[in-house]
Amino acid sequence: GEKVEQHESTLSVREGDSAVINCTYTDTASSYFPWYKQEAGKSLHFVIDIRSNVDRKQSQRLIVLLDKKAKRFSLHITATQPEDSAIYFCAASPNSNNRIFFGDGTQLVVKP
Amino acid sequence: AQTIHQWPVAEIKAVGSPLSLGCTIKGKSSPNLYWYWQATGGTLQQLFYSITVGQVESVVQLNLSASRPKDDQFILSTEKLLLSHSGFYLCACPGEKNNQAPLFGEGTRLSVL
Repeated sequence: GEKVEQHESTLSVREGDSAVINCTYTDTASSYFPWYKQEAGKSLHFVIDIRSNVDRKQSQRLIVLLDKKAKRFSLHITATQPEDSAIYFCAASPNSNNRIFFGDGTQLVVKP
Repeated sequence: AQTIHQWPVAEIKAVGSPLSLGCTIKGKSSPNLYWYWQATGGTLQQLFYSITVGQVESVVQLNLSASRPKDDQFILSTEKLLLSHSGFYLCACPGEKNNQAPLFGEGTRLSVL
């Protein structure tokens, strides 16, 4: 089955800098890649996703890049703010209705 | 709009006692449903998934069981809780439309003492 690896377990950046979280996947059938944010004590909330028919997607300060050849995708958070501090999970799936396979999460800390 | 409601919000239970956690979906018919478990500060572990009423597939064995008694309901239970069952339990389903990301419930925090 699919295995998603999230390379940074923790990431600390200064407010205003960019943060990059990298993930890799193993199954070439995976075509849908959502990202979730989990604030302390709360559930997962969707932040952005990308499908395999594009290699870049942006939503305000969030950019997702997808390299299908390398089976790698990444989340870029620009102009970070303290409220961006949370655990971020990457995930992969054959499509959004099928099972979602998660990475282990990255704890992002944005220091003022 | 599609919603997921989980109950209870939190539970404190004794080792060896029974447990039942619930999840109800509104706004989507015959959804795939999933139970996840997250140890404190830990990774997400998928426990069960169900594609229809009466059908549940186990992903990992944690001395828990799940049932799908109705199209919009998914139940997680055990007869005897272990200390290792403590954590955060999340229910999830596909997004409202086919191109939307899966939606998670607000979770149930379980402490086993």
